[in-house]
Amino acid sequence: AQTVTQSQPEMSVQEAETVTLSCTYDTSENNYYLFWYKQPPSRQMILVIRQEAYKQQNATENRFSVNFQKAAKSFSLKISDSQLGDTAMYFCGQEGGSEKLVFGKGTKLTVNP
Amino acid sequence: DAGITQSPRHKVTETGTPVTLRCHQTENHRYMYWYRQDPGHGLRLIHYSYGVKDTDKGEVSDGYSVSRSKTEDFLLTLESATSSQTSVYFCAISEEGSMNTEAFFGQGTRLTVV
Repeated sequence: AQTVTQSQPEMSVQEAETVTLSCTYDTSENNYYLFWYKQPPSRQMILVIRQEAYKQQNATENRFSVNFQKAAKSFSLKISDSQLGDTAMYFCGQEGGSEKLVFGKGTKLTVNP
Repeated sequence: DAGITQSPRHKVTETGTPVTLRCHQTENHRYMYWYRQDPGHGLRLIHYSYGVKDTDKGEVSDGYSVSRSKTEDFLLTLESATSSQTSVYFCAISEEGSMNTEAFFGQGTRLTVV
């Protein structure tokens, strides 16, 4: 069955430090896409980073990077030099092939000054 | 910004009444999704569409129906609203398979059933 699991409902980090959010998934597809979306208090959903499963190299976007372990079906998000504006809900998502886009339950991240 | 609009943005309705939420896109994307967001449950897929008149159920489809008569519009209907359907509803669009696959989201509709 297609599932996405985020095991950390809430996390906090001090400004300028590094934090890692966990995500595991299950899929029967061999080629698929993985995403991290950010949802600030404004409720807007913003794409943070995207990974294509057939690409072995981990995706990076400025302070955001992922650790993609395809065999383990793990897709964690690392935020370096955390900023107050990173405070948000973060959702991990997966889609591909015949499978629709589904998300985990989210991780609420608070960056403390 | 991707052209995706949800209407209405807010609605209060009474138990037992029908409600229709509309999602409109100007991107000509093939896939359209309806999710509901509830505390502790994240984003749960209600229904999705992979083309005109092609729809399928998600994990929480009971009590909801959808229609897509043209590419740009995806309607979500609550035939007889219940208090358990009080939630924030999001529409999303995507064009899976393109080099820059990304789902774009509407701004959400806050529905309250009293």
